[in-house]
Amino acid sequence: AQSVTQLDSQVPVFEEAPVELRCNYSSSVSVYLFWYVQYPNQGLQLLLKYLSGSTLVKGINGFEAEFNKSQTSFHLRKPSVHISDTAEYFCAVSRYGGSQGNLIFGKGTKLSVKP
Amino acid sequence: ETGVTQSPTHLIKTRGQQVTLRCSSQSGHNTVSWYQQALGQGPQFIFQYYREEENGRGNFPPRFSGLQFPNYSSELNVNALELDDSALYLCASSFGTASSGANVLTFGAGSRLTVL
Repeated sequence: AQSVTQLDSQVPVFEEAPVELRCNYSSSVSVYLFWYVQYPNQGLQLLLKYLSGSTLVKGINGFEAEFNKSQTSFHLRKPSVHISDTAEYFCAVSRYGGSQGNLIFGKGTKLSVKP
Repeated sequence: ETGVTQSPTHLIKTRGQQVTLRCSSQSGHNTVSWYQQALGQGPQFIFQYYREEENGRGNFPPRFSGLQFPNYSSELNVNALELDDSALYLCASSFGTASSGANVLTFGAGSRLTVL
């Protein structure tokens, strides 16, 4: 079975500051890794994904994440945040060969960007 | 291209009632998944439909059931509602074979169910 732990439930940060949202996962098999963002009253939108290859993955809106197999982590980073980045961020995994719709999500991290 | 649309957006039911939630897939997608997102939690996988058949299920009782239609739209039915069923129900569509864990899901905005 797979599980995802997002280490911070809330992260407050000032505008233009860097931010890192932490994600650790547990799995006995190989997995794909995803970060989704959820704005208020909206569905989830894909930020980026790691399938294979380079461990540094770049996504939309200036976000990037690094896959670290030895530490089973997939932390999300942005060098300079904007007010519009205020949202909830979810880390998720899916199993190689598993149902394409079966994502295991973490509990989410609420990013609050203050002026 | 149209995205994933869900209806209704909000609804209130009482304990013991039944509810049907509807989802229209993104154009070109052939697979639909349903998730339950309780307040303060991440989404939890309920089940997936591919070629009109359920082909993956999370840890949800049989009173959660679904359908996928030939046009790839889908319904989620919940019988004998309980207070703990209060949540945001998310539908997601994707394209690919049944076992394509790398495929990206496109989510709808959800249906918020309140059970009193």
